[in-house]
Amino acid sequence: GDSVTQMEGPVTLSEEAFLTINCTYTATGYPSLFWYVQYPGEGLQLLLKATKADDKGSNKGFEATYRKETTSFHLEKGSVQVSDSAVYFCALRFSGGYNKLIFGAGTRLAVHP
Amino acid sequence: GAVVSQHPSRVICKSGTSVKIECRSLDFQATTMFWYRQFPKQSLMLMATSNEGSKATYEQGVEKDKFLINHASLTLSTLTVTSAHPEDSSFYICSAIFSSGGWDTQYFGPGTRLTVL
Repeated sequence: GDSVTQMEGPVTLSEEAFLTINCTYTATGYPSLFWYVQYPGEGLQLLLKATKADDKGSNKGFEATYRKETTSFHLEKGSVQVSDSAVYFCALRFSGGYNKLIFGAGTRLAVHP
Repeated sequence: GAVVSQHPSRVICKSGTSVKIECRSLDFQATTMFWYRQFPKQSLMLMATSNEGSKATYEQGVEKDKFLINHASLTLSTLTVTSAHPEDSSFYICSAIFSSGGWDTQYFGPGTRLTVL
């Protein structure tokens, strides 16, 4: 079945470091891909999305490119801040899936000053 | 953006009692809402799809008689955990579909932490 695999955390970085969180997926069709962020004690917020191959989603300095050939959607940010500390979830939504989201396990990011 | 609220944010109950959790879309109408369960340091697991005016669709392995879902209006879905037991302790999160410009986006509530003693 459809699934999402994320790199295990926690990821610990110093402020202004470069961030990459890997995400790969398995799907039988052509899903839309998402990154959600969960700050401590809060619900999930949509960070960015891409709906087709080669699309690049971006928001708040974060970027991810939909790579069909490698079935990947890695999250990147050039310079992280302490306020970026959160749990990041990669997810896919299958085009015929009635809006159902399949989430990866989540990757905890801790940014230190 | 669209806002989804949940109530209560935290609840502690005794084993054997029932607990109701509300999910509301505050500034939009949602014909479809979802209920998820999140265990500590784990991902969200979809429990069921709640459709306004019809029966909920449960994911495989989720007991529909234990987790009762009612989507009585376009802005409210409720999840009732019946005869709760300690193993039901978890973080329950709802989401609602907001449709705009031909695109559907899921907006998530802040979650409800249930502790069953």
